[in-house]
Amino acid sequence: DQQVKQNSPSLSVQEGRISILNCDYTNSMFDYFLWYKKYPAEGPTFLISISSIKDKNEDGRFTVFLNKSAKHLSLHIVPSQPGDSAVYFCAASIAGGTSYGKLTFGQGTILTVHP
Amino acid sequence: KAGVTQTPRYLIKTRGQQVTLSCSPISGHRSVSWYQQTPGQGLQFLFEYFSETQRNKGNFPGRFSGRQFSNSRSEMNVSTLELGDSALYLCASSLNQFVGYTFGSGTRLTVV
Repeated sequence: DQQVKQNSPSLSVQEGRISILNCDYTNSMFDYFLWYKKYPAEGPTFLISISSIKDKNEDGRFTVFLNKSAKHLSLHIVPSQPGDSAVYFCAASIAGGTSYGKLTFGQGTILTVHP
Repeated sequence: KAGVTQTPRYLIKTRGQQVTLSCSPISGHRSVSWYQQTPGQGLQFLFEYFSETQRNKGNFPGRFSGRQFSNSRSEMNVSTLELGDSALYLCASSLNQFVGYTFGSGTRLTVV
């Protein structure tokens, strides 16, 4: 049962354009969402997060949008740079309770930004 | 400040052996989580420790165990290794979940 899904295995974008990575989830208990970037042979690097009480969060070139009714979130990168080329993972968690430390990850989307 | 440190970076073990992996979290971080990454299953949660107590556990067999020491360093152990245990094992530490988890570079375990 895959509770967090990234349906696009890969995305190719031209430098300077917008990259939009999508993520869907099925568990309505999730209330905190994170995006990570991962290069080969390295651990995931935290990018940006959003709580379910918000619908948008910005940090520099990165913006995450959350649509709770659709159980959908997206990461926008503007403008895209070649150094952004990596695998992007969406992750979800349940604050508190007994779900300590547990992030449920999507399968990842490979972003390639062409110069 | 220093990041999350995992040792060793690479390991090759034989089926049936056991292995211990180590994780040193960022100074001040008391929560340490472990994940397994494989091409087929992606990133899967193993367990989480806080102040030497396991607070949460994922759906892995009992061959996978862990512990945390008083300095927050953590180890995970896999006994009776199987070929399917070949994976990248990642450790992450956090001050609290709302500031995100910082991951180490992982230990690449190959079981032959």
